[in-house]
Amino acid sequence: DGGITQSPKYLFRKEGQNVTLSCEQNLNHDAMYWYRQDPGQGLRLIYYSQIVNDFQKGDIAEGYSVSREKKESFPLTVTSAQKNPTAFYLCASTLMGGEAFFGQGTRLTVV
Amino acid sequence: EDQVTQSPEALRLQEGESSSLNCSYTVSGLRGLFWYRQDPGKGPEFLFTLYSAGEEKEKERLKATLTKKESFLHITAPKPEDSATYLCAVQINTDKLIFGTGTRLQVFP
Repeated sequence: DGGITQSPKYLFRKEGQNVTLSCEQNLNHDAMYWYRQDPGQGLRLIYYSQIVNDFQKGDIAEGYSVSREKKESFPLTVTSAQKNPTAFYLCASTLMGGEAFFGQGTRLTVV
Repeated sequence: EDQVTQSPEALRLQEGESSSLNCSYTVSGLRGLFWYRQDPGKGPEFLFTLYSAGEEKEKERLKATLTKKESFLHITAPKPEDSATYLCAVQINTDKLIFGTGTRLQVFP
């Protein structure tokens, strides 16, 4: 079945540590996105990528980094510069002009 | 600045009590407007896509409409299982996909 897989489902980060969230899709979609969702809030765009080896900052890119070396993969690294990383992270992909398909999310907690 | 605003933030309805959710947008170069449903702890689930003013889409108790400045999600005779957060998103010409803050809907029996 085609879809988007995010891993892990739960992730714990210590202070000062970098962590990487995985996002893989087998839908042959060109564009991929990362969003952050805080409790009771909407989705805020962190980064998005329209093609391999290219990506654009969203509204809250500070403290995050991404790469797009393969069409299927768009990992997100939460760096130590992100002071408040505890949130629910969602990855999505789309064909041009089409609806976004979402993964099931990664819940990141700072311990 | 591209912006998507949803209202109300929260809505409580009695089962069978119809209502509407609003999504207003200010963007440059609209490519499409999307409605999603999100249950707690899960990723959003796609409901509708609207591309041009005057367009309407229907699915069961839900109907989405689009004008040049806003979209409405009409819920007719809702049931408790319709309780969820409803998200509106706008895609612009650069492929950027911008979400509103959502409307949390609770339907009581």
